[in-house]
Amino acid sequence: KQEVTQIPAALSVPEGENLVLNCSFTDSAIYNLQWFRQDPGKGLTSLLLIQSSQREQTSGRLNASLDKSSGRSTLYIAASQPGDSATYLCAVRSVDSNYQLIWGAGTKLIIKP
Amino acid sequence: EAQVTQNPRYLITVTGKKLTVTCSQNMNHEYMSWYRQDPGLGLRQIYYSMNVEVTDKGDVPEGYKVSRKEKRNFPLILESPSPNQTSLYFCASSSTSGRSYEQYFGPGTRLTVT
Repeated sequence: KQEVTQIPAALSVPEGENLVLNCSFTDSAIYNLQWFRQDPGKGLTSLLLIQSSQREQTSGRLNASLDKSSGRSTLYIAASQPGDSATYLCAVRSVDSNYQLIWGAGTKLIIKP
Repeated sequence: EAQVTQNPRYLITVTGKKLTVTCSQNMNHEYMSWYRQDPGLGLRQIYYSMNVEVTDKGDVPEGYKVSRKEKRNFPLILESPSPNQTSLYFCASSSTSGRSYEQYFGPGTRLTVT
């Protein structure tokens, strides 16, 4: 059964730093992996989606990589800003999960001004 | 604008009073699902639907019903709400054709059952 883990659970860094959030999954048979952002009490915003055949995707200051063989994805945030403070979730769509997403517990990110 | 809409956004109700949370998407997506999100438990899937008239249980279906009579709508029904169903609920949809399968989420419905 697919399991998704996100480390660290929380991260606090000064503004301007580059940072990396990690997501690992146990079964490499996936269709894709999606990174989301969630502000407190709010909905989920899709940030990046990486297909199983892709190695990375970029959007602005965000770069997500995927290493299917090792079961890992990273979300790289360049030049962090206080507005980046949120919880970041990764979710995997497994081949055997009938289109369901398997979720990590999230990383709560705080960017200090 | 492509979107998933949910109504109501906030709801306070009493134990046992039937309620329905509506969900609608305008992207012609086949797949729709409902999640609940609770502190410390993350997102858990309640029900999902692969297409019209096709629904299936997710991880936490007890106490909930759904229907999919039209492709765009996927209402969540609580026949007899209880306080343990107080939660933040999300509806989501995605296509099952092509290669994307990117999932889109509604803004959420915060439900309080007293």
